[in-house]
Amino acid sequence: DIQMTQSPASLSASLGETVTIECRASEDIYNGLAWYQQKPGKSPQLLIYNANSLHTGVPSRFSGSGSGTQYSLKINSLQSEDVASYFCQQYYDYPFTFGSGTKLEIK
Amino acid sequence: QVKLLQSGAALVKPGASVKMSCKASGYTFTDYWVSWVKQSHGKSLEWIGEIYPNSGATNFNEKFKGKATLTVDKSTSTAYMELSRLTSEDSAIYYCTRSGAPYYFDYWGQGVMVTVSS
Repeated sequence: DIQMTQSPASLSASLGETVTIECRASEDIYNGLAWYQQKPGKSPQLLIYNANSLHTGVPSRFSGSGSGTQYSLKINSLQSEDVASYFCQQYYDYPFTFGSGTKLEIK
Repeated sequence: QVKLLQSGAALVKPGASVKMSCKASGYTFTDYWVSWVKQSHGKSLEWIGEIYPNSGATNFNEKFKGKATLTVDKSTSTAYMELSRLTSEDSAIYYCTRSGAPYYFDYWGQGVMVTVSS
């Protein structure tokens, strides 16, 4: 199975700041990577697919980048509604696997 | 709009089985895979498996083979997952999701909380 190592596990930032979350795959996943946001008590929601494509309706302050085994999610101008957990997921190969998540809080 | 409506929470005894549903609307049910994802309390996500409603083809995470059975009813655009021989390790929230090709999950159900307790 492809292991997804996500960091940091938790993050505290101020409103308006820019934050970055990293995800490293145990092998090349050829941009088969998605990012999800999960607010407390809610289902995960797709933010980014194919490593850098913004899902419909997702604010443009979210962006994804990376290639090979290294990927990142950047959130510009942090808003209060961005408080959530964020997960990466590879879908390059079966079984699809997720990172362990990053919990984002406002300082 | 795309919606995946899941059945309600379940409290089941150890050793029993549970079957949950996921009713799709707002898109052509047979054109997309339906995956199931497990989220244990406060933890990350695990992909269980997927089914293609048009053909009934399935793919599973080895970890869940023998534990999960996936079926669909095309007439009602509903996917089902049955979990068997339940233990406390199966207590979790289970989500159904929609995916195309490539296989990211673009829509999620609201989740079903399963509690295994005597």
